[in-house]
Amino acid sequence: AQRVTQPEKLLSVFKGAPVELKCNYSYSGSPELFWYVQYSRQRLQLLLRHISRESIKGFTADLNKGETSFHLKKPFAQEEDSAMYYCALAPGANNLFFGTGTRLTVIP
Amino acid sequence: NAGVTQTPKFRILKIGQSMTLQCAQDMNHNYMYWYRQDPGMGLKLIYYSVGAGITDKGEVPNGYNVSRSTTEDFPLRLELAAPSQTSVYFCASSLGRGANYGYTFGSGTRLTVV
Repeated sequence: AQRVTQPEKLLSVFKGAPVELKCNYSYSGSPELFWYVQYSRQRLQLLLRHISRESIKGFTADLNKGETSFHLKKPFAQEEDSAMYYCALAPGANNLFFGTGTRLTVIP
Repeated sequence: NAGVTQTPKFRILKIGQSMTLQCAQDMNHNYMYWYRQDPGMGLKLIYYSVGAGITDKGEVPNGYNVSRSTTEDFPLRLELAAPSQTSVYFCASSLGRGANYGYTFGSGTRLTVV
């Protein structure tokens, strides 16, 4: 069965420090993975997807099939990065499976 | 640009009452979804639709019903509200299969059943 695990509910880093939000998945097929973000008082929105291999707002995420991970990284955190981050897996069906989310707080 | 519009934003129901959560999108998206999010949990799919007249169950469909008579609207019906249905409900849409296009979310409906 497919599963997405985000082990950290809360993560605090200082402004300018590197940040890594962890995501591990369980899926027997070829995974399609995403990061969604929800800023305060805003809607949940797509941040990036692994198939695009893109960098959005300085964030990147690399799919590691050996470790079944899709960690989200940014070298220098900014205050505006404070938000709730969700990792999501599309197992080939018409659905996304979401992790429980990590609340990132960037301390000035 | 309205995107995905959900109404109401908040609602308190008594046990056994019924209500319909409304969801409308103006992007001509074929795919629409209903998720619920319980405190401290991830989003779980209730129902989804791949086009007008086509709906299917997700992970947690019990206690809910949906219809998709038009491309724009995808209402979620709770027939006999129970405390276990206290949650935040999110509607989302995508142009095609979500994995390829990503989802556009509504702002959510916070429902409390007492």
